Amino acid sequence: AQSVTQPDIHITVSEGASLELRCNYSYGATPYLFWYVQSPGQGLQLLLKYFSGDTLVQGIKGFEAEFKRSQSSFNLRKPSVHWSDAAEYFCAVGARAGGSQGNLIFGKGTKLSVKP
Amino acid sequence: ETGVTQTPRHLVMGMTNKKSLKCEQHLGHNAMYWYKQSAKKPLELMFVYSLEERVENNSVPSRFSPECPNSSHLFLHLHTLQPEDSALYLCASSQLRTSGGADTQYFGPGTRLTVL
Repeated sequence: AQSVTQPDIHITVSEGASLELRCNYSYGATPYLFWYVQSPGQGLQLLLKYFSGDTLVQGIKGFEAEFKRSQSSFNLRKPSVHWSDAAEYFCAVGARAGGSQGNLIFGKGTKLSVKP
Repeated sequence: ETGVTQTPRHLVMGMTNKKSLKCEQHLGHNAMYWYKQSAKKPLELMFVYSLEERVENNSVPSRFSPECPNSSHLFLHLHTLQPEDSALYLCASSQLRTSGGADTQYFGPGTRLTVL
């Protein structure tokens, strides 16, 4: 079955420290890959996406993610976390073709807290 | 207005009320989605509309009734809801690829629904 796993429910990092959020997927073929961020009471905002090409993808707010086909992973990273990065982060996958109607499969999310 | 807008942002209703949630997308997309997000469950896809046709209904109770009068507007009509229906309801839109594959979904800010 198709699925997305974000193994960390909650992560706390100190401001200025580096961050890595994990995402693993189970899919029939290499899917399109996405990271979204959600601030409390808000909708989801796209951080970055991978469709093809360079497996290291740059996004907004200084985030990047690396697609590793051999590990079925798409981990999100940031070298130095800011207090404003505190939010919930969702990894998602979508089919490259077929009658999926554009559906995305979302992970359960990782909540990030930032210590001053 | 740009992006995806949702009204109202907050709604409190009794179990016998009838209300509607509205979503409007200003992106020229051809697919729209309703999601439910509650504290205890991950993001749940409720309905998908592609080219104004409902193409997916994920076993959603009949007390939720979607309507898509045109490609820019999506409604969720609510009646005789239960307290467990209290959640954040998110609308999203995307542009379906000719291959049928996924593309970025753009989310509205959501409607926080409380059922008393």
